[in-house]
Amino acid sequence: GAGVSQTPSNKVTEKGKYVELRCDPISGHTALYWYRQSLGQGPEFLIYFQGTGAADDSGLPNDRFFAVRPEGSVSTLKIQRTERGDSAVYLCASSLNPSGGRGDTQYFGPGTRLTVL
Amino acid sequence: AQSVTQLGSHVSVSEGALVLLRCNYSSSVPPYLFWYVQYPNQGLQLLLKYTSAATLVKGINGFEAEFKKSETSFHLTKPSAHMSDAAEYFCAVTTHTGGFKTIFGAGTRLFVKA
Repeated sequence: GAGVSQTPSNKVTEKGKYVELRCDPISGHTALYWYRQSLGQGPEFLIYFQGTGAADDSGLPNDRFFAVRPEGSVSTLKIQRTERGDSAVYLCASSLNPSGGRGDTQYFGPGTRLTVL
Repeated sequence: AQSVTQLGSHVSVSEGALVLLRCNYSSSVPPYLFWYVQYPNQGLQLLLKYTSAATLVKGINGFEAEFKKSETSFHLTKPSAHMSDAAEYFCAVTTHTGGFKTIFGAGTRLFVKA
C-alpha cells in the first residue's frame, strides 16, 4: 500500500515569508509526528498528533511554528515569518497504535527540503 | 530527560567484515530503543526495536542489537557487511513516560569498501 507522502519535496522561500508543508499519513494510522532534520544531525522531534489533537507539541521551537490535523488524517506544518535558520528537511511519520504507544513503529515520509534564502 | 549518543559519525568496513555501530542512551525510566536506516534520497526505515521483551533483538537485513542495561547501550551489529548496507544509521529512544518525544542520535554513516 501507499506509504507516507509529503509535499512539496522541495520548497525555496525568502526570509520573512509564510510556508505550509503537507503530510499524508498511511491510511488508518491515527498517530502522526513531525520532525526537523538539519544537515549532519538526527531528526529533531517537533510535534505529535493522536487523531486530531496535538498530544505533545513540546518540540516546536517557537510560536512561528504551528501544525494542524483537522480531520485526523492529513497534517499541515505552518511556519510564519521564516528565518534562514529554519532551513532543514522536515520529516513526517505516522504510526498505527491508537493509544499512541511509545514503542510503536513509526513510518517516515521522504521529507520536504525547506530552503530559506 | 532522555538522550542518545552515537559514537562515530562515520564508520568504514570492508565487504564481508563485521559491522558494529555504537549507541549509548540516557534515560531515568525504562526505555524503548530503535535503530533506523536512511538510504540516500529515501525516508527513514525501521531496522529493529527493543520494547522490554528479549534483550537481543533481530531486525531486517541481518542486523541485530543487544540491549545492555548495565552499560546503557544498544549497539547495532551485522556479521557480514554488504555493499547495499551503505547508508546513514540512527539510534533513537522513547520512554514509557514523559511525553511522546522520540530522541534521535546524530547518526552514523556506514561506508562499505569492496
